[in-house]
Amino acid sequence: DTAVSQTPKYLVTQMGNDKSIKCEQNLGHDTMYWYKQDSKKFLKIMFSYNNKELIINETVPNRFSPKSPDKAHLNLHINSLELGDSAVYFCASSPESRLAGRRFEQYFGPGTRLTVT
Amino acid sequence: KQEVTQIPAALSVPEGENLVLNCSFTDSAIYNLQWFRQDPGKGLTSLLLIQSSQREQTSGRLNASLDKSSGRSTLYIAASQPGDSATYLCAIPSSYKLIFGSGTRLLVRP
Repeated sequence: DTAVSQTPKYLVTQMGNDKSIKCEQNLGHDTMYWYKQDSKKFLKIMFSYNNKELIINETVPNRFSPKSPDKAHLNLHINSLELGDSAVYFCASSPESRLAGRRFEQYFGPGTRLTVT
Repeated sequence: KQEVTQIPAALSVPEGENLVLNCSFTDSAIYNLQWFRQDPGKGLTSLLLIQSSQREQTSGRLNASLDKSSGRSTLYIAASQPGDSATYLCAIPSSYKLIFGSGTRLLVRP
């Protein structure tokens, strides 16, 4: 009964390929996120979706396209992969997207380690 | 713009020692602060969430404190164990996302 799950856990691919990472949460949360953790272990937000609507897009190259088919799923598709895309990608969810009067606690998936060769 | 800093970047202590990890933030108008643990090659586990109206939050051997006026939070680990070895991250919500510090990598030596 995993709360936030991601597939695959590891992904090794060549430059120029297109790949997708999937995320699912069974917590009934309204908001889902994608974060990127670089080689220096620094975590930074990429996207946020609330009830299938995009609410954050943090200057991410348009080769990255998130898709939320429903509230429980947020997938990340990456076109024309580059060496610099190698990182660990974390999906997260939270019960509320607005801060005022809410707990705003995020729950993270196990991560997907992407290696581009 | 909120910035979150963690010092030290790495810490090595003998087993049994009490220790303090530090987290600083530039904008004191925070809603809450969350401490996470990340084991090598693994995801993030939420340890404690301390609301802006609280000064402390405790869970087992962990105690998090928050001083908004000075822009600081500390995570106190009592009687450290080798199993506590991990990277500890603090994070603050800002505009519908979490702003993370760079983490403190802790090694507890047997």
